[in-house]
Amino acid sequence: QQQVKQSPQSLIVQKGGIPIINCAYENTAFDYFPWYQQFPGKGPALLIAIRPDVSEKKEGRFTISFNKSAKQFSLHIMDSQPGDSATYFCAASVYPGNTPLVFGKGTRLSVIA
Amino acid sequence: DAGITQSPRYKITETGRQVTLMCHQTWSHSYMFWYRQDLGHGLRLIYYSAAADITDKGEVPDGYVVSRSKTENFPLTLESATRSQTSVYFCASTSGQAEQYFGPGTRLTVT
Repeated sequence: QQQVKQSPQSLIVQKGGIPIINCAYENTAFDYFPWYQQFPGKGPALLIAIRPDVSEKKEGRFTISFNKSAKQFSLHIMDSQPGDSATYFCAASVYPGNTPLVFGKGTRLSVIA
Repeated sequence: DAGITQSPRYKITETGRQVTLMCHQTWSHSYMFWYRQDLGHGLRLIYYSAAADITDKGEVPDGYVVSRSKTENFPLTLESATRSQTSVYFCASTSGQAEQYFGPGTRLTVT
């Protein structure tokens, strides 16, 4: 049973474009929603995270939008750059994060110049 | 160096062999996790530990054994490796304040 569904599997955008990656969750107990970024040959690293008390969070060019009623959240990357090319994973857990993360299957993003 | 390390980084083993993957963190984080990453499946939890001598199963624990005698170490053992265990294995740790820090991974091939 997949508790976090992520789409699309892969995404190609032009430099400067705004890729959007979507995730949906099922477990209403989840209240912590991080996004991890992974470069080839490396471990995932936390990019940005949100909790349900806000509907949007921005950190630099990265924005999470959160819709609690729809149980969906998404990652937007503004002014995307080739260096943003990586695999992105959404995840969910019960805060404060000492419980295991449930990951989506990942989105491979390619930003072409 | 501070951080989380995994060894070996690459391992090739034969079906039926026992193999142990090591994970070491220098932050004294209470919580540690083992995930496996497979194409099309993302990251799936194998086992996790809330403290020394406390471990619990994750989504895909069959064929794996863990131990945690010291806070800083969390080894993962494949008792009798199978081809389906060919994967990239990631260890992670957290103090419990949300962010999980991942190691660089071990790429395991079972022939």
